[in-house]
Amino acid sequence: DIQMTQSPSTLSASVGDRVIITCRASQTVGTYLAWYQQKPGKAPKLLISDASRLESEVPSRFSGSGSGTEFTLTISSLQPDDFATYYCQESIRYSRTFGQGTKVEVK
Amino acid sequence: QVHLVESGGGVVQPGRSLRLSCAASGFSFDSYGMNWVRQAPGKGLEWLAFISFDGSDRSYAESLQGRLTISRDRSENTLYLQINSLRPEDTAVYYCARDLRRYSAYGVPFDSWGQGTRVTVSS
Repeated sequence: DIQMTQSPSTLSASVGDRVIITCRASQTVGTYLAWYQQKPGKAPKLLISDASRLESEVPSRFSGSGSGTEFTLTISSLQPDDFATYYCQESIRYSRTFGQGTKVEVK
Repeated sequence: QVHLVESGGGVVQPGRSLRLSCAASGFSFDSYGMNWVRQAPGKGLEWLAFISFDGSDRSYAESLQGRLTISRDRSENTLYLQINSLRPEDTAVYYCARDLRRYSAYGVPFDSWGQGTRVTVSS
């Protein structure tokens, strides 16, 4: 299976901060990379597909970039509703491996 | 509106089997690939299994291969996951999730999720 590694595991930030989360794949996944947001007790929510395609109704402060093995999720100006855990996921083959998650917490 | 409702969870003894269900509504069930994902308490997301829109292709996480069987019933608009030889480390919330696009076999993330069903493996 492909391994997905996110960094950092935890990120402390304040409202208004620019936040960058990195996801690395153990082998190339092209642009078959998605990002999800999950809040406690809730199902994940798809934010970005195909590495950089913003899903409908997702605020434009979220953006994704990268290809191959290195990807980033950027939140341009962190809002109170953005404190959550974020996961990347590859889907280049039948498997759909997730990264271990990055928790964005209040600084 | 897409609606996915999981059921079948509960407390199960180690070594037993369990079948989870996911009732789908609000979309054309037989046009979408479907998946199972779990989340152990305080842990991250773990993809478990995929079944194609027509049931012809299935794939499983390597770590659980041999203990899982994913299936679907188009007449009932229901997705299933059979888990055999349950272990305490299988304790988790189990989610079903729909592929983002129709008729896809891979390359597609999940755009709709159920609320999850909790499975506890304990004697």
